[in-house]
Amino acid sequence: QKEVEQDPGPLSVPEGAIVSLNCTYSNSAFQYFMWYRQYSRKGPELLMYTYSSGNKEDGRFTAQVDKSSKYISLFIRDSQPSDSATYLCAMSRNYGQNFVFGPGTRLSVLP
Amino acid sequence: DADVTQTPRNRITKTGKRIMLECSQTKGHDRMYWYRQDPGLGLRLIYYSFDVKDINKGEISDGYSVSRQAQAKFSLSLESAIPNQTALYFCATDGSQETQYFGPGTRLLVL
Repeated sequence: QKEVEQDPGPLSVPEGAIVSLNCTYSNSAFQYFMWYRQYSRKGPELLMYTYSSGNKEDGRFTAQVDKSSKYISLFIRDSQPSDSATYLCAMSRNYGQNFVFGPGTRLSVLP
Repeated sequence: DADVTQTPRNRITKTGKRIMLECSQTKGHDRMYWYRQDPGLGLRLIYYSFDVKDINKGEISDGYSVSRQAQAKFSLSLESAIPNQTALYFCATDGSQETQYFGPGTRLLVL
């Protein structure tokens, strides 16, 4: 079993839809949780960072962490074609050390 | 100018050759990382450095070495390249828990 699992997609949604992206993990020691967006032929960019459990909102993006279920989510409201990218989750026990990434989910938002 | 630059952007080499990938950053960050990305596997950490005198192995350091020449520069070397090192390589920096920057990547093909 991989430490971090993520459905690779592709996931296609119409413009304006609410998108839900998810990762599960097996290591209960993870405390730091990140979501990255990666456009084609570009480096990843950090979207959201969360420490421990709970929710965090930034504009149209909401990150949720449920440590009891070892499950994290990223919600995108009012999705736009410009949100079309691969979304990577990542997590670590101590920040800055040994991030473990999921394989990424490819999202297409259709106009 | 880009905050994190990588050279070269593309490289083709032959099995057994030594190559170096270079990374420079203008963010003034102490922490720097090297990752490789393979389809379906996500990003995997090769090496990381928290300052010029601090170098640490990541998940997949075998076959690689690094040099932190200055705060702004972090190089990755493949002493004797092999075909399964064909991948997309990313350098990244971060200065705090919510700021992290990736370079544009280097596409390496080992024949």
